[in-house]
Amino acid sequence: GQNIDQPTEMTATEGAIVQINCTYQTSGFNGLFWYQQHAGEAPTFLSYNVLDGLEEKGRFSSFLSRSKGYSYLLLKELQMKDSASYLCAVDFNKFYFGSGTKLNVKP
Amino acid sequence: GAGVSQSPSNKVTEKGKDVELRCDPISGHTALYWYRQRLGQGLEFLIYFQGNSAPDKSGLPSDRFSAERTGESVSTLTIQRTQQEDSAVYLCASSPRALSSYEQYFGPGTRLTVT
Repeated sequence: GQNIDQPTEMTATEGAIVQINCTYQTSGFNGLFWYQQHAGEAPTFLSYNVLDGLEEKGRFSSFLSRSKGYSYLLLKELQMKDSASYLCAVDFNKFYFGSGTKLNVKP
Repeated sequence: GAGVSQSPSNKVTEKGKDVELRCDPISGHTALYWYRQRLGQGLEFLIYFQGNSAPDKSGLPSDRFSAERTGESVSTLTIQRTQQEDSAVYLCASSPRALSSYEQYFGPGTRLTVT
């Protein structure tokens, strides 16, 4: 792998904002993906960052800093249905996934 | 149209037996990917196809694993002489082309249990 690290688990409250970080120790990759995976289901695409900076898509935003070796996924106005695992993946034409961050949203 | 489909959805096999897992990608998608996901872990990239060719097979865990694709459509992942460590969910994904900017669409997976 490419030493992709994510926190194992996070808990946040409905309506709040949460930031899920992904750090990596590699360079020269094409871009970085974020996927959402509900328990027992297949992953679904959230975002893909090529350039440094923030990409916003509704309640979800993703940020990439190649020079600092990290990305984050920002979820706003959390809803109960956002409880899921969030996977970051580095794209080298092969794809290296982190182990995922399990997000628990509480009322 | 239909999404990515995989069969079987569940497979229980005895250690030492061979298994075949099937993936039907979205029609027209030329790229196809296989991943393995062990319980509570992230996705492990196994192999990808661009058309019927697999440019890089180095992600396959051992020589017991092989994959093929025909007609730029269906793909089969074969595991020979299964071991208990092969127990996992095997996910297939497809995308319009094997370029990084294209999102991958995942199938529901095949849950393999080796007893």
